[in-house]
Amino acid sequence: DTGVSQNPRHKITKRGQNVTFRCDPISEHNRLYWYRQTLGQGPEFLTYFQNEAQLEKSRLLSDRFSAERPKGSFSTLEIQRTEQGDSAMYLCASSSGQGLRGYTFGSGTRLTVV
Amino acid sequence: AQTVTQSQPEMSVQEAETVTLSCTYDTSESDYYLFWYKQPPSRQMILVIRQEAYKQQNATENRFSVNFQKAAKSFSLKISDSQLGDAAMYFCAYRLYSGGGADGLTFGKGTHLIIQP
Repeated sequence: DTGVSQNPRHKITKRGQNVTFRCDPISEHNRLYWYRQTLGQGPEFLTYFQNEAQLEKSRLLSDRFSAERPKGSFSTLEIQRTEQGDSAMYLCASSSGQGLRGYTFGSGTRLTVV
Repeated sequence: AQTVTQSQPEMSVQEAETVTLSCTYDTSESDYYLFWYKQPPSRQMILVIRQEAYKQQNATENRFSVNFQKAAKSFSLKISDSQLGDAAMYFCAYRLYSGGGADGLTFGKGTHLIIQP
């Protein structure tokens, strides 16, 4: 197992375009999390899945954001009608059980909206 | 809402010396977990150490140890015998133990640790 994999590593898009990121968690991990990290800040929680069910969404996750985890495997995070304020590093993490022993993070997708 | 505060934006230490990174948090809960994560430049975040709030004994992982003061809501990280590879951003994080919702980690803003050779 190569850990948590995120694609693409970098994405540059024009304002108003839609973008989609993918996260492949560690195969035996049932929980998957999305975080957003802006420059000089710590990661901020966006949403998480237990298997295929999306159990919690942060108020940061506006209507333009949607996340899915079909069949409880990989997950996608889509941002519609991107805005410059969406520019950030999007981090994915996974854990087994309730994640009380910590999460395994991916390397992130850096989004730049121009 | 829970908050995590790291009051040191940047710390510098000589190689082989000891450094302590500060973290305070605010919560009204009694059951929770605390973590320190390390984020090297352009690399993924790695768990350094964790502490269960119900445990009085401070966690230790090799050169890394914590000073957990529950009443003071303080959770500092001590790095002994600092090495060049310890240079990174360090994030303190809080997680409620709920068995259900409120599952996300709350992070501080981070401390940039510089190791002087």
